Amino acid sequence: DTGVSQNPRHKITKRGQNVTFRCDPISEHNRLYWYRQTLGQGPEFLTYFQNEAQLEKSRLLSDRFSAERPKGSFSTLEIQRTEQGDSAMYLCASSLGLAWRASLFSGANVLTFGAGSRLTVL
Amino acid sequence: GQQLNQSPQSMFIQEGEDVSMNCTSSSIFNTWLWYKQEPGEGPVLLIALYKAGELTSNGRLTAQFGITRKDSFLNISASIPSDVGIYFCAGLGGATNKLIFGTGTLLAVQP
Repeated sequence: DTGVSQNPRHKITKRGQNVTFRCDPISEHNRLYWYRQTLGQGPEFLTYFQNEAQLEKSRLLSDRFSAERPKGSFSTLEIQRTEQGDSAMYLCASSLGLAWRASLFSGANVLTFGAGSRLTVL
Repeated sequence: GQQLNQSPQSMFIQEGEDVSMNCTSSSIFNTWLWYKQEPGEGPVLLIALYKAGELTSNGRLTAQFGITRKDSFLNISASIPSDVGIYFCAGLGGATNKLIFGTGTLLAVQP
């Protein structure tokens, strides 16, 4: 296992088109996260999954955005009717995902990030 | 979205100098992490801190988890050109499983 893999690395699309990004996490990791990063900012949380269940969604995730993790392994993030403001780096991360007390003082819930998928909307 | 306050925003230094950056939060965290990000890549973990007051080193990097659990600092000693990048602090709390990032410190090292 070589880490978190994201595809495509770069996507250029016209406004109004739909785009889909894929993330393959580290195989033994239960939790999978999506973040968005714009130029000059730190990554901002979008959503996360514990196995196949989507447990939390940010207010940043408008109804044009949908994320799935159907079998608890890879995940997809789809953006419908893209807008220029959607241009950003979309980062995926995964972690072991232990319960809070079991993870205290350990690296079990530390996130490992992929290289990201950069979206440019023209 | 929520972001932690990180300072300084940028640093331009000479090779060999020491560097210090810090991060503060209005919320308590159980884990503080420091990541480095290079252009076009995702953040890479440098140091993880799990206990208040903990001081941890990784080569030339040293980081501390503040006693109040609301702050952390990162020091880089004897900087080299490959230290160039953006450094992010990040906090992980007990009430939430999501990592909250700082605003980043851009480090430029002149050979």
